[in-house]
Parts: sequence; structure tokens; C-alpha cells
Amino acid sequence: SQTIHQWPATLVQPVGSPLSLECTVEGTSNPNLYWYRQAAGRGLQLLFYSVGIGQISSEVPQNLSASRPQDRQFILSSKKLLLSDSGFYLCAWTRGLTGDYGYTFGSGTRLTVV
Amino acid sequence: KQEVTQIPAALSVPEGENLVLNCSFTDSAIYNLQWFRQDPGKGLTSLLLIQSSQREQTSGRLNASLDKSSGRSTLYIAASQPGDSATYLCADMNAGKSTFGDGTTLTVKP
Repeated sequence: SQTIHQWPATLVQPVGSPLSLECTVEGTSNPNLYWYRQAAGRGLQLLFYSVGIGQISSEVPQNLSASRPQDRQFILSSKKLLLSDSGFYLCAWTRGLTGDYGYTFGSGTRLTVV
Repeated sequence: KQEVTQIPAALSVPEGENLVLNCSFTDSAIYNLQWFRQDPGKGLTSLLLIQSSQREQTSGRLNASLDKSSGRSTLYIAASQPGDSATYLCADMNAGKSTFGDGTTLTVKP
């Protein structure tokens, strides 16, 4: 069966420090991968998605970047964190471009920038 | 641009009650409609997926329907239990163009 791993679960970082969040998927190949951010009490905002190794699409201009160095690995990064980067970050995957089998989410990372 | 609205934002019901959560879309060209459950501080758990050619899906006490012509989806929960307390989100899932509602927070009181 397919599983998605996301870590760390919580992270407290000072303003101006770098960030690296990692997401890996097991049990499938060539997944579509996504990074979302959720503000408190709100829905999800798509940040990046990837349909293959090295292929990244950005939905929102911001202080963050994403990379996909391997087929089942997706990394969210920042060189210098801002207070506004605080939030709940979720990784997700789908099978195929159309997502006809639904989206599966990781357990999330709570990032607090202080 | 698709917008998804979920009303009410919060709902409190006594245990055992049947209830309906609503989700509406501004663009009726919905691709795949997915309902999720989110517990506090946790990720999203998929409940039901209605593919573009379908109108309804059922799983246990849950039933989700989709009416594209009116741009509405409902999630029906039968015989609610305290363990159903969570935030429920609906989303128009379309690859890089997915749009989520802000969710309805459900509290089921024993």
C-alpha cells in the first residue's frame, strides 16, 4: 500500500534562518506531489506541485522554493524565513495528472517562525 | 477562478442526530470532488471522492453527493457520534488547480 511521510511534525525557527521540510512517498512510482499551506481556521493554499523529477510549478510567489531530487521525494525550502511563513504545511500526492483516485495527505508540519 | 464556500463554519449537534454539511462552488465545471476530515493539528484524511462522471459516493455512515448544475455538494452523516467531531473540508481537486473550502467544524455532543 502507498504511504506518505512528512517530517518534522513541529518546527520552531528564528526569523532569517533556513528551512527544509521533506516529504517522501512509498509504494508507488511517478506520483504527482504537492505542497500546501494552511492558515489557522482556513482552507489550503497550493504552494508548489511537481509532475516529475526536477519539474516544479509554483502557484504563489513567495519566500519559499521546492525541489524534487528523486521520484518520490519532495522538499520545501527557504533561505531566510519570515514571520509570515508560519503555518501548517502539508504534503500530498496523487496518482496521475488528473487525480482521479483522489489526493492523499501527509500528517503535516507545524512551522512557527519566531 | 473557482471559489469554494462551506456553510456553516461551525456546527454543534447532539449525538445520534443525522446531519448535512454543505459545499458550494462558483464554477460548476468541477473536476473531482473530494471530502476530507481534519482533526486538530493533524493532516487531512480522505473520506469520499466523487469522480467527474459520478454523482454520489457512500462509505459507512457517510454519503456525499454532487450536483454540478447547481454547483453544490453535500456530505450526509448518519447517526452522528462524538468521534465524528472534526473539521470537514470539501475540495474541487484538479491537479495544480485544486480549490479548498475553509471547512465546517463539527462538534457532536454526547
